[in-house]
Amino acid sequence: AQSVTQLGSHVSVSEGALVLLRCNYSSSVPPYLFWYVQYPNQGLQLLLKYTSAATLVKGINGFEAEFKKSETSFHLTKPSAHMSDAAEYFCAVGGNEKLTFGTGTRLTIIP
Amino acid sequence: GAGVSQSPSNKVTEKGKDVELRCDPISGHTALYWYRQSLGQGLEFLIYFQGNSAPDKSGLPSDRFSAERTGGSVSTLTIQRTQQEDSAVYLCASSKGGGTSSYEQYFGPGTRLTVT
Repeated sequence: AQSVTQLGSHVSVSEGALVLLRCNYSSSVPPYLFWYVQYPNQGLQLLLKYTSAATLVKGINGFEAEFKKSETSFHLTKPSAHMSDAAEYFCAVGGNEKLTFGTGTRLTIIP
Repeated sequence: GAGVSQSPSNKVTEKGKDVELRCDPISGHTALYWYRQSLGQGLEFLIYFQGNSAPDKSGLPSDRFSAERTGGSVSTLTIQRTQQEDSAVYLCASSKGGGTSSYEQYFGPGTRLTVT
């Protein structure tokens, strides 16, 4: 069975600082990996996806993620945090026509 | 175009009552998914429709939960004899379906269900 683990349920960074949200996956086959973002009282929105093409994936709002097979990781980064980045972020793995999500990381931006 | 819509946005019900939650997917999306989001639990897959068929209903937590989809469009999730542990946000998503497109899902805003 495929799964993802998000390390850190809460992450706080200062405005302008680097954002790093961690995700590790478990999969017996090459995985399809995703990051979704959920703003307060809204549904989830796709940030970026890895589908076995380039290992460095760029998404919306300046976010990117790097697929590292040796580390079974797909961490999400952004060089400079903005107040509008405050949200909950979910890593997910795709398989059997459905997504399996991690438990989420709530990102707080400190002014 | 219009996104995924869900109704009602909020529902408060008494324990033991039945509730129906509705999802209108994006027009032309053949795949539809229901998830449950509980505090601290992340998103839990409930059921997946391809057209009007449900190839995977493995996530439905009990036989009190059922879902249907008609006309390849609107879906209804029904919870019978609600319990307090059913309180959660129920999210619906749709996708174009087929291959990796299945995983590019568009989510509705959710229905917040509170069972008192």
